[in-house]
Amino acid sequence: IAGITQAPTSQILAAGRRMTLRCTQDMRHNAMYWYRQDLGLGLRLIHYSNTAGTTGKGEVPDGYSVSRANTDDFPLTLASAVPSQTSVYFCASSDSGEDTGELFFGEGSRLTVL
Amino acid sequence: QKEVEQNSGPLSVPEGAIASLNCTYSDRGSQSFFWYRQYSGKSPELIMSIYSNGDKEDGRFTAQLNKASQYVSLLIRDSQPSDSATYLCAAGPRDSSYKLIFGSGTRLLVRP
Repeated sequence: IAGITQAPTSQILAAGRRMTLRCTQDMRHNAMYWYRQDLGLGLRLIHYSNTAGTTGKGEVPDGYSVSRANTDDFPLTLASAVPSQTSVYFCASSDSGEDTGELFFGEGSRLTVL
Repeated sequence: QKEVEQNSGPLSVPEGAIASLNCTYSDRGSQSFFWYRQYSGKSPELIMSIYSNGDKEDGRFTAQLNKASQYVSLLIRDSQPSDSATYLCAAGPRDSSYKLIFGSGTRLLVRP
C-alpha cells in the first residue's frame, strides 16, 4: 500500500536517552517533513527536506536532528530526550512546486519521555 | 510571528445543516491555503486546497479565500455525523512554501 510508514507507533523513553523515529515513503515525493502535535498547539514543523541531501529547520528544531540520505527515508533523532519532547510526531511528504503544502501524513509516533 | 488562528470549538451543528469553519492568517504574503481533517487519534488528511481569491467547490466542501481580509473558510454542506472531526487550517508563507503554518484546529460535532 502506497504511503508513509512511521516506526515505532508508540514509545516510552527515559529522559537523556537517544531515540530515532523512522519514516519511509514510497510515493517518490521530493519533500518530507517532521511535525509534532501537542494539545492546543496544533501541528508545528520541526525539520523539513525539499529534496534528498538537503534539510532545513522549521519552527521548533531545537533538540532534534534529521538526515535525508535518499528520497524515501527521513529519520528524526532526539539526541538526549527531555520530558518536553513528549508529543505525537507526524512525518509527512509532498511533491515540490505548486503542490507543496498538499501533505500526506504518516500514522504518527506517540512518544512519552519520563 | 506568522500565525494562523482558528476558534477551537466545538462547533455543533445538526445533521443536514451547513457547517462553517473559519480561519484568519497574519502573513499577508501567504500564497497557498489548505484545510485538513483529523479524526480523533488519526493523522491529518488533506480535504481542500485554495490558491486564489474566491470559492472552490469539491463535492460537499467549499473553500473560500479573501486575501484582502486575510480570511479563509470551509463550508460543509449536508453535514453528516461522519464529518465530526477536527479541521486544521494551514497557510503557506511566500518566503518558503515548505513551511506551512497550521492553526490549532476547530472541532466539529455533527449531531444525528
